Amino acid sequence: NAGVTQTPKFRILKIGQSMTLQCTQDMNHNYMYWYRQDPGMGLKLIYYSVGAGITDKGEVPNGYNVSRSTTEDFPLRLELAAPSQTSVYFCASSNTYTGELFFGEGSRLTVL
Amino acid sequence: GIQVEQSPPDLILQEGANSTLRCNFSDSVNNLQWFHQNPWGQLINLFYIPSGTKQNGRLSATTVATERYSLLYISSSQTTDSGVYFCAVGDYGQNFVFGPGTRLSVLP
Repeated sequence: NAGVTQTPKFRILKIGQSMTLQCTQDMNHNYMYWYRQDPGMGLKLIYYSVGAGITDKGEVPNGYNVSRSTTEDFPLRLELAAPSQTSVYFCASSNTYTGELFFGEGSRLTVL
Repeated sequence: GIQVEQSPPDLILQEGANSTLRCNFSDSVNNLQWFHQNPWGQLINLFYIPSGTKQNGRLSATTVATERYSLLYISSSQTTDSGVYFCAVGDYGQNFVFGPGTRLSVLP
């Protein structure tokens, strides 16, 4: 049982480039989330999804887009990368019945 | 929205000491979890504890939902316990609010 899997684990981007962070879960959870964590800080919600085809903005959605075509996958796209997007990104999913939250291992992104 | 506070913000212990971390929240919740973020950045589930008491080895947690707080106890601390401990509370819509964390340093 892999849980929540994120790729890549590390990435360096140049200003203006775009990329997609991949996230997949094998627990059949309806709810999925993307958070970012800046150095020494807590987690901020970027986007979340309550099921396939349904997404909604969190606290800090600007500069990001998501899609949810299947229950398992919830990719996060960064368009026109900026230095302010340098952060560690965590994908998570929650148990549909209990709400228990599970995190992936994180993706460290640096924009230069 | 729900506000979450954690105390203390920082804690330094000698190996072998015990500690209590506190999480206060401002409204009724149906979900409360404790996470440990280790020095490598991984977020580890410690407890899913919307109410009651649970124990796992040297760690235990108690949530008193009616009084809107949760406590995480660490006994006989080890250097591997170092990191940041986050409390997260969830409402009935599975929207989670994280506390600011308690940074624990356990010295050998």
